[in-house]
Amino acid sequence: EAGVTQFPSHSVIEKGQTVTLRCDPISGHDNLYWYRRVMGKEIKFLLHFVKESKQDESGMPNNRFLAERTGGTYSTLKVQPAELEDSGVYFCASSPYTTGELFFGEGSRLTVL
Amino acid sequence: AQSVAQPEDQVNVAEGNPLTVKCTYSVSGNPYLFWYVQYPNRGLQFLLKYITGDNLVKGSYGFEAEFNKSQTSFHLKKPSALVSDSALYFCAVRDRGAGFQKLVFGTGTRLLVSP
Repeated sequence: EAGVTQFPSHSVIEKGQTVTLRCDPISGHDNLYWYRRVMGKEIKFLLHFVKESKQDESGMPNNRFLAERTGGTYSTLKVQPAELEDSGVYFCASSPYTTGELFFGEGSRLTVL
Repeated sequence: AQSVAQPEDQVNVAEGNPLTVKCTYSVSGNPYLFWYVQYPNRGLQFLLKYITGDNLVKGSYGFEAEFNKSQTSFHLKKPSALVSDSALYFCAVRDRGAGFQKLVFGTGTRLLVSP
């Protein structure tokens, strides 16, 4: 069974540009999460989808970040316009149940220059 | 608010020696506790979790962790380290409240096992 996949694995962009990260959860997992790790810091929660609905987006840093999960399958996280402090590794995770174990992808490393 | 502390940025140990990676937490009530590992160029992998019951939890790759409620700690241990254990280890906590509860991570500890 395929795990959580994320694309791209690494993106380098200029400040002010737009980047879209994609996450494909494990098939059948209704719960999808985005987390972020800024260099040397803790992994921080961004938001949680159940199917196509946002259950908790309290961790989204600001309105430059937009997450979607159309159709309740894959999810995208768009950063527009990107700022230097957005650099970090963005992890996606999925789980079959709200209280279940999270299965993480390999992460998308974003570098904003 | 929940928080997790991993006081060591890096732990160095020789292969064959026992290892301990420390984790303390702050959360109201009784939490779920987790350890995840990130190998180079890989995603986070689940190692083990404490839900209830025996305070000593055994997980993948020979790792174990001991839940200590009085010290609010959940240290990760392995009796004999391997070079292949070198990776980044994250402790995480989640409240037991109803419905969705965020997984709160520590800052990570890099384990370096030398031959």
